[in-house]
Amino acid sequence: NAGVTQTPKFRVLKTGQSMTLLCAQDMNHEYMYWYRQDPGMGLRLIHYSVGEGTTAKGEVPDGYNVSRLKKQNFLLGLESAAPSQTSVYFCASRTSSYEQYFGPGTRLTVT
Amino acid sequence: RKEVEQDPGPFNVPEGATVAFNCTYSNSASQSFFWYRQDCRKEPKLLMSVYSSGNEDGRFTAQLNRASQYISLLIRDSKLSDSATYLCVVPLSNQAGTALIFGKGTTLSVSS
Repeated sequence: NAGVTQTPKFRVLKTGQSMTLLCAQDMNHEYMYWYRQDPGMGLRLIHYSVGEGTTAKGEVPDGYNVSRLKKQNFLLGLESAAPSQTSVYFCASRTSSYEQYFGPGTRLTVT
Repeated sequence: RKEVEQDPGPFNVPEGATVAFNCTYSNSASQSFFWYRQDCRKEPKLLMSVYSSGNEDGRFTAQLNRASQYISLLIRDSKLSDSATYLCVVPLSNQAGTALIFGKGTTLSVSS
């Protein structure tokens, strides 16, 4: 039982490049979330999903897209990376009683 | 009022001290609340859940005041290992589902 895993752990992009962050969970949770965390800003919700095939916007969705084609996977895409997207990205899934489990994070730098 | 607000601290306390953090929330319909702990450069981990008036787990006590819309976290007999950032989390439901909104966190530093 791996819980929540994220790939990659680190990435450096140049402005304008694209990439996809993968989140996988093996706990059969319906809900999954993508957050970004910046110094002094706390965790901010980017997008979330209430089940396979559904997604919804969070607090800071601009510049990101997501897909939930399989229940266990939640993908976060950056189509054209910008330096403002330099951050630590956390994925989480949660139980029906709202208890969240986080992945180890992806540290992204956009130069 | 912001959806979830916390005093950022830092709180600097000696070992053995008792320390309390508060978190205020704006959604009066919220029924459950959570405290997470986050160590430097690590992912947040669930510390305590609060579904009614409060919850206690060893040295940690979480209390809920619905009338004033705040939850608190009390840590007794602080240990060096309690040094971390403590995040308050409140579910926010809308037509698209339920999002979990995090406060910015309160930083605790326990010194010997």
